[in-house]
Amino acid sequence: RKEVEQDPGPFNVPEGATVAFNCTYSNSASQSFFWYRQDCRKEPKLLMSVYSSGNEDGRFTAQLNRASQYISLLIRDSKLSDSATYLCVVPAKAAGNKLTFGGGTRVLVKP
Amino acid sequence: DAGVTQSPTHLIKTRGQQVTLRCSPKSGHDTVSWYQQALGQGPQFIFQYYEEEERQRGNFPDRFSGHQFPNYSSELNVNALLLGDSALYLCASSLGGPGYGYTFGSGTRLTVV
Repeated sequence: RKEVEQDPGPFNVPEGATVAFNCTYSNSASQSFFWYRQDCRKEPKLLMSVYSSGNEDGRFTAQLNRASQYISLLIRDSKLSDSATYLCVVPAKAAGNKLTFGGGTRVLVKP
Repeated sequence: DAGVTQSPTHLIKTRGQQVTLRCSPKSGHDTVSWYQQALGQGPQFIFQYYEEEERQRGNFPDRFSGHQFPNYSSELNVNALLLGDSALYLCASSLGGPGYGYTFGSGTRLTVV
């Protein structure tokens, strides 16, 4: 089993709709998680941090389910500019906080 | 406030050659981590440098080596290039070794032919 797994998508989303996708992780000791956004051929950029049960920032909501070892990202009122790959990231606290990335979920928002 | 700077932005090399990629961390950061991102995949951790020493290493062969200089900048060297080394190489800087607050550079796209 991979340390961090994501549905690669793509998720084709009508503009204005809601989309949600999950990320599963294997290390039950993980305490914090990140969602990064990566545009085509660009570097990843931090979207949200998740330290407890969840976090909300505008149209974006991240939730953590420790029992089932997954985090989710929900995007409400999708904009065309939300089209990107969303990377789930788990820092390894016992290993110098190296970041373990999932393979990414591609989201395409269409008019 | 300068972010993370990587050079070159693009590079084409031939199999068997050697390559050196460079990274200048964000101002105030002292730790540099390198990641390899193949097309369609998430970034994979190569290694991390802090206080001029390699602190952590991912599952990469010894052909991948690095260095950190006193000014915190870093180099990634790859010897005996393989076609499979073609990827986007990302540098991320942070503060204080095992810390958070990673900032990524825009990467070096390496193509091996």
